[in-house]
Amino acid sequence: GQSLEQPSEVTAVEGAIVQINCTYQTSGFYGLSWYQQHDGGAPTFLSYNALDGLEETGRFSSFLSRSDSYGYLLLQELQMKDSASYFCAVRDTLTGGGNKLTFGTGTQLKVEL
Amino acid sequence: EPEVTQTPSHQVTQMGQEVILRCVPISNHLYFYWYRQILGQKVEFLVSFYNNEISEKSEIFDDQFSVERPDGSNFTLKIRSTKLEDSAMYFCASSRRDRGGLGGELFFGEGSRLTVL
Repeated sequence: GQSLEQPSEVTAVEGAIVQINCTYQTSGFYGLSWYQQHDGGAPTFLSYNALDGLEETGRFSSFLSRSDSYGYLLLQELQMKDSASYFCAVRDTLTGGGNKLTFGTGTQLKVEL
Repeated sequence: EPEVTQTPSHQVTQMGQEVILRCVPISNHLYFYWYRQILGQKVEFLVSFYNNEISEKSEIFDDQFSVERPDGSNFTLKIRSTKLEDSAMYFCASSRRDRGGLGGELFFGEGSRLTVL
């Protein structure tokens, strides 16, 4: 079966750096994505790693190690608005060229003053 | 900025009733998806749709579910006979063709909350 594990909750202070880990066991692997979700609203795309290494997009960075079946999302200079749920998601098929994703359990990030 | 739109935002129905959830994907996207999220849980894949047919579906997507693209813009999810456990937020998503597009990126709508009583 498919399994993506994340910590359920992380708390950090404004201005700090936080890392959200994701370990996965999936039948196929073609890349790891990260999504942000505020209060049950639309998940929004943050980043995608298909190859090992670090991808940086502004305050957010994402890392992948395919040999370890592991990735993380790094959020720097935390702001109150970063309080949200963060999901890792594996692209586990290339069927038809689409982006079917299997999502992780989600991490609730709370940013405090 | 183009976006995925969904209607209704919230629907309450009685068990056993049929429900149709509607979505308008982003116009130049080629792949369409339905996901659902039971309150407080993870987002779960239901079905993907490409070139007017289902390309993949999950175990959740049983005979009670169907999808349709009745015209060039709408994409619908039908639940024929709703059950209590169908209560969830249903998200529609779309994506561009992978080649030349950003891998792993889905564009989600705001969701349709379905409550089955």
